[in-house]
Amino acid sequence: DVVMTQSPLSLPVTLGQPASISCRSSQSLVYSDGNTYLNWFQQRPGQSPRRLIYKVSNRDSGVPDRFSGSGSGTDFTLKISRVEAEDVGVYYCMQGTHWPPSFGQGTRLEIK
Amino acid sequence: QVQLVESGGGVVQPGGSLRLSCAASGFIFSRYGMHWVRQAPGKGLEWVAFIRYDGSNKYYVDSVKGRFTISRDNSKNTLYLQMNSLRVEDTAVYYCAKDPPGHQGDAFDIWGQGTMVTVSS
Repeated sequence: DVVMTQSPLSLPVTLGQPASISCRSSQSLVYSDGNTYLNWFQQRPGQSPRRLIYKVSNRDSGVPDRFSGSGSGTDFTLKISRVEAEDVGVYYCMQGTHWPPSFGQGTRLEIK
Repeated sequence: QVQLVESGGGVVQPGGSLRLSCAASGFIFSRYGMHWVRQAPGKGLEWVAFIRYDGSNKYYVDSVKGRFTISRDNSKNTLYLQMNSLRVEDTAVYYCAKDPPGHQGDAFDIWGQGTMVTVSS
């Protein structure tokens, strides 16, 4: 199975400052169709997860443009350009290229 | 709007059984594969089971094989998870999640609110 490794696991950030989360996979996430199925999810306190980004860099409907995803192969990054209070929560990367789907351990973003 | 609503969670003794349900609305349920994903208290997300749109194929994480059964009733727009021989380590919030249009790799585009399962003596 593909192992997803996130860093850092805890991320204290000052409001208005940028934040960056890294995600590394144990195998390349490039699928045979040429796409890379790497997704990012946000889970706010007490809520269900919500998909933010799919296929590395595509934002879901309603996701603010301060969120961006990048990367290729085995190394990926989620960036928040200016952290707002509503961004507090846990962020998970997830790969859908290889079966079974697998998640990273999660990165807890908090306001400093 | 697109919605998934889970029910059926509760407290059960080790070795017991529970059946979870997930009622879907706002989309054509019979066209999409569906998953169960769980989250143990204070822990991360773990994929549990998947069923194809027509119920023809089912897949499970190794730790639940032979104990859990995923099924669906497309006439009722409902997904199920029958959980038998429950263990303490099955304690978690169980979410149902929908496959997206297009490739399955763009997974879990919609989630339910979750239902809590507690296995304890």
